[in-house]
Amino acid sequence: AQSVTQLGSHVSVSEGALVLLRCNYSSSVPPYLFWYVQYPNQGLQLLLKYTTGATLVKGINGFEAEFKKSETSFHLTKPSAHMSDAAEYFCAVNIGNQFYFGTGTSLTVIP
Amino acid sequence: KAGVTQTPRYLIKTRGQQVTLSCSPISGHRSVSWYQQTPGQGLQFLFEYFSETQRNKGNFPGRFSGRQFSNSRSEMNVSTLELGDSALYLCASSFIGSQNYGYTFGSGTRLTVV
Repeated sequence: AQSVTQLGSHVSVSEGALVLLRCNYSSSVPPYLFWYVQYPNQGLQLLLKYTTGATLVKGINGFEAEFKKSETSFHLTKPSAHMSDAAEYFCAVNIGNQFYFGTGTSLTVIP
Repeated sequence: KAGVTQTPRYLIKTRGQQVTLSCSPISGHRSVSWYQQTPGQGLQFLFEYFSETQRNKGNFPGRFSGRQFSNSRSEMNVSTLELGDSALYLCASSFIGSQNYGYTFGSGTRLTVV
């Protein structure tokens, strides 16, 4: 069975600090991996994706994620948090055109 | 180009009524998927349509149905509304399939059942 686990439903960081949001997946086939961000009362916006090739993927707003097959992980990072990064973040895997979303991590940025 | 458009943005209905939500995908996108988002359950997959055919279906009761038109616009219908149907309903479109391209989401329809 395919699944996505996001460790930590709430993460708080200080402005300027490193952001690390964790995502682990289970899949019987090589997955396609995505991170989405959701602002209040909005839909989800694609941050970045890994399909094939380079395992370190850069996305919008300074975010990046690294696919580690041996650890079945796809953690999202940003070197320096900004107030505007406060939002809900969803990790997702796509297998056979079917998306499986994690339960989300709410990021709070403390000034 | 225009994004995914969902109408209406907000809706209040009474238990037992039915509701129809609309989604217009990005031009050229033929795949449309629907999700229900609630604080307790997160994002739950309802169904996916591709070229007017339902291609995938989630684990929702038959009260939830959908369809897709020849112009790729999609509608979702919920009959005999229950309080638990209160949620944000998100539509997402994709070019052909979502695997390589990911989804583009609409802003959602916030349904409140009273």
